Amino acid sequence: QVQLVQSGAEVKKPGSSVKVSCKASGGSASNFAIDWVRQAPGQGLRWMGRIIPMFGTTNYGQKFQGRLTITADDSTSTAFMELSSLRPEDTATYYCVYTTESTGLFTDDAFDIWGQGTMVTVSS
Amino acid sequence: QSVLTQPPSVSGAPGQRVTISCTGSSSNIGAGYHVHWYQQLPGTAPKLLIYVNNDRPSGVPDRFSVSKSGTSASLAITGLQAEDEADYYCQSYDTSLSGSIFGGGTKLTVL
Repeated sequence: QVQLVQSGAEVKKPGSSVKVSCKASGGSASNFAIDWVRQAPGQGLRWMGRIIPMFGTTNYGQKFQGRLTITADDSTSTAFMELSSLRPEDTATYYCVYTTESTGLFTDDAFDIWGQGTMVTVSS
Repeated sequence: QSVLTQPPSVSGAPGQRVTISCTGSSSNIGAGYHVHWYQQLPGTAPKLLIYVNNDRPSGVPDRFSVSKSGTSASLAITGLQAEDEADYYCQSYDTSLSGSIFGGGTKLTVL
């Protein structure tokens, strides 16, 4: 069973960037996908974007276009989420999510396995 | 404002049956995309609860079931237990947004 371990909490200034990592261990499928989902304090879940590491292809949510970059390093089984031009409203817990048998970038896959979450606080 | 609409809260007594609705539109649920459900216990990450056509990950009891009709889906929980108290989210795909979408979440209180 795949397990996801994310990097630790971050405190950032408005206008800066944050990069969160997500390391998968315990095996992997060849066509898996990694998504990023965030949750502001006391709020619901919002999907941010997806990467299929085997191809390096990405799909970003409209709300994050231009500010979000998702990458993956196959050699270390690690995915990264970088969000730039941070604002206080970006304060949230960021989750990486693993889909074992992805059907593509633009699909209705279920999110099988969730990381523990990384709290990002944006404050001056 | 979430693309999928869920009631903010539902409640029920132990042993009872509750349902949580998830209402979408013709660009997501109504377009035939699957609806999946997640459970988030207090202070923890969400976990996949039930997906596609009543498929459940290992360990999820069959007290949880789903149905879908038109532009809506529902999660039913029978034999309510105290440990079911959590937030529940529906998730699907929206062709207009070209991405995954979540409902706003429903807080289940076991009385």
